[in-house]
Amino acid sequence: DTGVSQDPRHKITKRGQNVTFRCDPISEHNRLYWYRQTLGQGPEFLTYFQNEAQLEKSRLLSDRFSAERPKGSFSTLEIQRTEQGDSAMYLCASSLATSGGAKDEQFFGPGTRLTVL
Amino acid sequence: GENVEQHPSTLSVQEGDSAVIKCTYSDSASNYFPWYKQELGKRPQLIIDIRSNVGEKKDQRIAVTLNKTAKHFSLHITETQPEDSAVYFCAAGSSNTGKLIFGQGTTLQVKP
Repeated sequence: DTGVSQDPRHKITKRGQNVTFRCDPISEHNRLYWYRQTLGQGPEFLTYFQNEAQLEKSRLLSDRFSAERPKGSFSTLEIQRTEQGDSAMYLCASSLATSGGAKDEQFFGPGTRLTVL
Repeated sequence: GENVEQHPSTLSVQEGDSAVIKCTYSDSASNYFPWYKQELGKRPQLIIDIRSNVGEKKDQRIAVTLNKTAKHFSLHITETQPEDSAVYFCAAGSSNTGKLIFGQGTTLQVKP
């Protein structure tokens, strides 16, 4: 499967615990995005990377949320001290941006469903 | 701030009829407008997109129109089929920033 992959697909945790999710983008894609989706809503943008540079993180929901993409390939999203309100689907997407004009199409992964008890 | 409004929230049509979903965006810097289809429990799938240098784009039974002056864009599905039933999301973004702002979604039900 050469699409975007995410791991784990489901995560159940207790309030106060830390969780980390992984996203592997399509191999030639240099942009990687994180979104959060709650039931009945559209994906909500959190942050994105171009290669290893995090270009926008203003939408990260609080300082408990952080993301990394250390080598410009896979990315991780960490939530510290989880709260019940963090329960949601966390989606990753990737795209290819070129100097000749960005190929804006974003391809989504299957998501990680987080349940905080 | 950046915002995308999508209407209607639910839409029910008979098989073979047309369906239209409308979106309005607030950020005048937006120049890329994709539409995604999301079936229950699955990832969003891109079905069609349009860039700000064109007013209309068509792909078989699906078409999208863009009015940049009014900051409106719409999805048109003709000859609907039961397999078109899903949640549809519009989004607005910029090639510079890459991020997409999504609408709230439209649940489309096509009755056989």
